Amino acid sequence: QSALTQPASVSGSPGQSITISCTATGSDAGGFKYVSWYQQHPGKAPKLMIYDVSYRPSGVSNRFSGSKSGNTASLTISGLQAEDEADYYCSSYTTGSSNWVFGGGTKVTVL
Amino acid sequence: EVQLVESGGGLVQPGGSLRLSCAASGLTFSSYAMGWVRQAPGKGPEWVSSITGSGDTTYYADSVKGRFTISRDNSKSTLYLQMNSLRAEDTALYYCVKRMGRVFDIWGQGTKVTVSS
Repeated sequence: QSALTQPASVSGSPGQSITISCTATGSDAGGFKYVSWYQQHPGKAPKLMIYDVSYRPSGVSNRFSGSKSGNTASLTISGLQAEDEADYYCSSYTTGSSNWVFGGGTKVTVL
Repeated sequence: EVQLVESGGGLVQPGGSLRLSCAASGLTFSSYAMGWVRQAPGKGPEWVSSITGSGDTTYYADSVKGRFTISRDNSKSTLYLQMNSLRAEDTALYYCVKRMGRVFDIWGQGTKVTVSS
């Protein structure tokens, strides 16, 4: 089974762009195809921001974008805003075993 | 608007049992796979279990297999999680989630489970 590694924290100033990485390691890393990203504000439930690597659900700002290269996925937030300050988690679905794994999370701070 | 409302959490001793419920509204419940995701204090989410819309197929994380049972009553639009042989490491906020393809697009607000003597 794979593990997903994220940086503990990323920060940026309003208006800047930041990128959060998510690296898959382990036996299922080769099947790192279905990556999603969730945003979580303190005391709130996670909110889906990106699915299947780069697709945005309806209602999610186009300032959020996702990509993947090899076993590393990335979430980019452009035009950083104060409301973007939150924890962000990547997640990967493994088809063969029908299970999900989450990363440890990245705290985004808007300076 | 789709809403998921969990209940049934609480304080339980190690080895004890709890049954969580999740009442769904605003959707044709039987059409959607559902699941449970938990989050321990200060940690990332952890997928626990999923069930198909008809309820005929279930999936479990290795950490709960053999101890937890997911089920649903489509006539009541309600999802359940029976948790037995609880351990301290099961302490977490348990979220009811709606599955959309390979992700969870709707989350409840969670119900807190604390396993402690």
